[in-house]
Amino acid sequence: DVKVTQSSRYLVKRTGEKVFLECVQDMDHENMFWYRQDPGLGLRLIYFSYDVKMKEKGDIPEGYSVSREKKERFSLILESASTNQTSMYLCASSLNTGAGTDTQYFGPGTRLTVL
Amino acid sequence: AQSVSQHNHHVILSEAASLELGCNYSYGGTVNLFWYVQYPGQHLQLLLKYFSGDPLVKGIKGFEAEFIKSKFSFNLRKPSVQWSDTAEYFCAVGPGGYQKVTFGTGTKLQVIP
Repeated sequence: DVKVTQSSRYLVKRTGEKVFLECVQDMDHENMFWYRQDPGLGLRLIYFSYDVKMKEKGDIPEGYSVSREKKERFSLILESASTNQTSMYLCASSLNTGAGTDTQYFGPGTRLTVL
Repeated sequence: AQSVSQHNHHVILSEAASLELGCNYSYGGTVNLFWYVQYPGQHLQLLLKYFSGDPLVKGIKGFEAEFIKSKFSFNLRKPSVQWSDTAEYFCAVGPGGYQKVTFGTGTKLQVIP
């Protein structure tokens, strides 16, 4: 089974802090994703990475950056946390089979509260 | 850019009732379609997917979905729901094999015993 783990289930930070959310997958997947999940808004893509050191902006990249130095690890960085970044953050990964849009496998999520 | 609409935000059903959750998307080309489910306290996981071929797709736990290309729809159905189907359901669209997908806003299903 694919396992996607996220470094924290719950995180509380203060406005202006730099925040790192870590995600690790154990199935050698090429693609990794960061979403935020908010009630009534569903999942919105923040960033996507299709290979080591490669990244692509999603629908809501403002205020976020990402890092992928190793294939299995994809980090989301909030440069200066703000209260409107309080949310559930989901990491996902998928294999690049070349046969269409591949199934994504999700981590348990990190609930971030910014005070 | 494509969009995905899930018109039912919150659905409450009694056990054994039939379920149909609507999903419409806007994208004119080839699409791959997904339904994901998030049970309380659990990870989001795949329920079923459509890539090509038979437009009626069967998934886990007795769920099925029908792709109607002319209506840009991919509705989820189950003939008889159980209390354990209580969850949030997300429709998602991946255009033309592109790895980025667009998710709908989700439908919360509550099944009353």
